[in-house]
Amino acid sequence: DAGVIQSPRHEVTEMGQEVTLRCKPISGHNSLFWYRQTMMRGLELLIYFNNNVPIDDSGMPEDRFSAKMPNASFSTLKIQPSEPRDSAVYFCASVGQGGPEAFFGQGTRLTVV
Amino acid sequence: GDSVTQMEGPVTLSEEAFLTINCTYTATGYPSLFWYVQYPGEGLQLLLKATKADDKGSNKGFEATYRKETTSFHLEKGSVQVSDSAVYFCAFTPSGGYNKLIFGAGTRLAVHP
Repeated sequence: DAGVIQSPRHEVTEMGQEVTLRCKPISGHNSLFWYRQTMMRGLELLIYFNNNVPIDDSGMPEDRFSAKMPNASFSTLKIQPSEPRDSAVYFCASVGQGGPEAFFGQGTRLTVV
Repeated sequence: GDSVTQMEGPVTLSEEAFLTINCTYTATGYPSLFWYVQYPGEGLQLLLKATKADDKGSNKGFEATYRKETTSFHLEKGSVQVSDSAVYFCAFTPSGGYNKLIFGAGTRLAVHP
């Protein structure tokens, strides 16, 4: 298996633009997590899904952030409109049914200018 | 609430020195405990894990023992190498928590020849 695949690896966008980050979890995994990593706040859990259903989105910073998981093999994290303070590395991770190990993607480095 | 406290970095060591990175957690029930490692520009990788009290996780010369009485999971290595330079994250999954990972702030390790 190719592991968790995130795209794009790098994204530079202007403030106010919409940004969509993508994640393909490992085939057969049923839990998916979105994390944000910054120097100031470390690793923050934004939202997670189980069997494609959002379980807890209390970590989503504000209404500008939204996430979807339309099927077991794809998830998106959207920021609209983006702001400079959203600049961070965003990670996606998936966990198999038996758990507990989480497998992380390589991350998307987002820069909002 | 659930949380992880780990040693602040950076930790700077000479090659072949002994490494300890302290980690304590606050959780109810019987969480599973993990150490993840992040090399520059990459996602997090599982280094080792322990799923019940007194278990010892080990990998690549690193070890950590699940101490429920002290709610600790300290990471140790007897002789570090330059290639061990990375950021180390202590984490746990709460009991019955959909394998959601709670991370510590991370400890940066720099090993010099």
